[in-house]
Amino acid sequence: NAGVTQTPKFQVLKTGQSMTLQCAQDMNHNSMYWYRQDPGMGLRLIYYSASEGTTDKGEVPNGYNVSRLNKREFSLRLESAAPSQTSVYFCASSVDRVVNQPQHFGDGTRLSIL
Amino acid sequence: AQSVAQPEDQVNVAEGNPLTVKCTYSVSGNPYLFWYVQYPNRGLQFLLKYITGDNLVKGSYGFEAEFNKSQTSFHLKKPSALVSDSALYFCAVRDMDSSYKLIFGSGTRLLVRP
Repeated sequence: NAGVTQTPKFQVLKTGQSMTLQCAQDMNHNSMYWYRQDPGMGLRLIYYSASEGTTDKGEVPNGYNVSRLNKREFSLRLESAAPSQTSVYFCASSVDRVVNQPQHFGDGTRLSIL
Repeated sequence: AQSVAQPEDQVNVAEGNPLTVKCTYSVSGNPYLFWYVQYPNRGLQFLLKYITGDNLVKGSYGFEAEFNKSQTSFHLKKPSALVSDSALYFCAVRDMDSSYKLIFGSGTRLLVRP
């Protein structure tokens, strides 16, 4: 039972390079999320998709774009990477848009921007 | 402004002793509260939630949490700590301005000594 799968697990980029982080879930969940985790700051929501075909900005969307490709997949793109985007990125999913359902997280992508 | 506070960066406890990880919140209206745990190099895992009902909520791995409305707290507890409980713990509350979003605390590292 894979749950939420993120690729790649690690990546090093140079400033200005672009990259897409991939996320797929096999739980037939409607809602998906992208977070970033920085030391001492908990998790901050970048973008979310309440259902297939919709996306909305979270707390820290600047410098990122997302695509909800289908019900299973939700990708995060950095068009021009900056050192401030060095972080651990987590994708999550939940049954639906009602937040009392728990979110299920992938194991993260550790991204370093030089 | 809505917020979640975890006042302790780290909690140290001996194996077999009871543990408490503290969380306080500030939201308008009735809160939806959650605890998640993160093991090294893994994503967050759901432990338990409070939506309504009994103030004492039981969750996974023997953890429980007590909701206290007058003190605006939702402390995580376990009667007897295990070394394997050592991890990073996050408290979260529903964003009252959006039914799908969670606001996470900064996390508390629990270290259980053998």
